[in-house]
Amino acid sequence: QSVLTQPPSVSAAPGQKVTISCSGSGSNIGNNFVSWYQQLPKTAPKLLIYENNKRPSGIPDRFSGSKSGTSATLDITGLQTGDEADYYCGAWDSSLRGVFGGGTKLTVL
Amino acid sequence: QVQLQESGPGLVKPSETLSLTCTVSGGSIKNYYWSWIRQPPGKGLEWIGYISYTGGTNYNPSLKSRVTISVDTSKNQVSLNLSSVTAADAAVYYCAEGLDHRRFDFWGQGTLVTVSS
Repeated sequence: QSVLTQPPSVSAAPGQKVTISCSGSGSNIGNNFVSWYQQLPKTAPKLLIYENNKRPSGIPDRFSGSKSGTSATLDITGLQTGDEADYYCGAWDSSLRGVFGGGTKLTVL
Repeated sequence: QVQLQESGPGLVKPSETLSLTCTVSGGSIKNYYWSWIRQPPGKGLEWIGYISYTGGTNYNPSLKSRVTISVDTSKNQVSLNLSSVTAADAAVYYCAEGLDHRRFDFWGQGTLVTVSS
């Protein structure tokens, strides 16, 4: 059972937009930054978003993040088949540990 | 760009100690936080702990009694020891670098550890 809650799967057609949600509590998302990671099949996770809405160098602006209260969302616009992956949200928790969501599998139909 | 490479035994016997090393190339260990994260086959990510460039550590409370993370700046390596392993510790183990302990900017490719006698 993951501390942060994500939908197990989402899907959308190429070119469309998809939103992945991440729900937590006041002990994590509510009082800390959220990060998002993309894990392509059989590869290591890769940082997509940090500090709620910032993109590392090289991450396209098709990927955007936001946070409100104890929830966060990752938006992906202009979907491409290469975006098919598992997406994880992560945050620091007041119990002094890093916590993740269970992951969301994105299918581009 | 920094590259991280995990290494260590792919098979560990139950009750023994899992020992992994993360070798950092293309950058310095200094001024960053170094975390270990694991992923059981087909499952999600679990944070194990981190060590700062000053040597300070913080571990997942669920693993704290069994985990030690250390750094060797002369070798540019970060190490993970997990004692008294069971089948539940079988996973791909990743090391990751971050500008602070709350995020993981770069990840190694991961190394699969199986626990079996």
